[in-house]
Amino acid sequence: QQQVKQSPQSLIVQKGGISIINCAYENTAFDYFPWYQQFPGKGPALLIAIRPDVSEKKEGRFTISFNKSAKQFSLHIMDSQPGDSATYFCAASLSGNTPLVFGKGTRLSVIA
Amino acid sequence: NAGVMQNPRHLVRRRGQEARLRCSPMKGHSHVYWYRQLPEEGLKFMVYLQKENIIDESGMPKERFSAEFPKEGPSILRIQQVVRGDSAAYFCASSPRTAGDNSPLHFGNGTRLTVT
Repeated sequence: QQQVKQSPQSLIVQKGGISIINCAYENTAFDYFPWYQQFPGKGPALLIAIRPDVSEKKEGRFTISFNKSAKQFSLHIMDSQPGDSATYFCAASLSGNTPLVFGKGTRLSVIA
Repeated sequence: NAGVMQNPRHLVRRRGQEARLRCSPMKGHSHVYWYRQLPEEGLKFMVYLQKENIIDESGMPKERFSAEFPKEGPSILRIQQVVRGDSAAYFCASSPRTAGDNSPLHFGNGTRLTVT
């Protein structure tokens, strides 16, 4: 049973464009939704996270949009750069109780 | 201010041998999580430990896999009698409290296990 579904599996974006990655979750009790960035040969690193009491959170070029009624959240990368090329994972958990459940990842390639 | 340290980075074992993966959490972190990553797959939760206690092992295979986090020393993920299907990247993560909004997970760079 996959609790967090992520799409697309891969994404190619032109430099300067907007990258959009979507995730849908099943467990309505989840209350913590982070995004992780992973470069080849490295471990995932926390990028940005949101709780369901807000609909949007922005940190620099990275924005999470959250739709509680649709049980969906998405990552937007504005002005995408080649250095953003990495694999991105969404995740969800019931904070303080359950371990993070991850999506399958999106491999982003930003081309010049 | 070292991050989560995992060793070895790469481990090659023949079928039937034992694999021992080590994880030293960040300083001050007493919560350790192990995840497995297969090619083109996400991170699959395996086990969650605190010092000397297994809190949640719902993701651990029932046989051949075990984990510990002793009072002193690193956390160990042990795989006995490895099979080719165990080949994967194994990531350890730590947090100062149960992972959540105020206690994000910090990951190590993983151990890549290859079973020949």
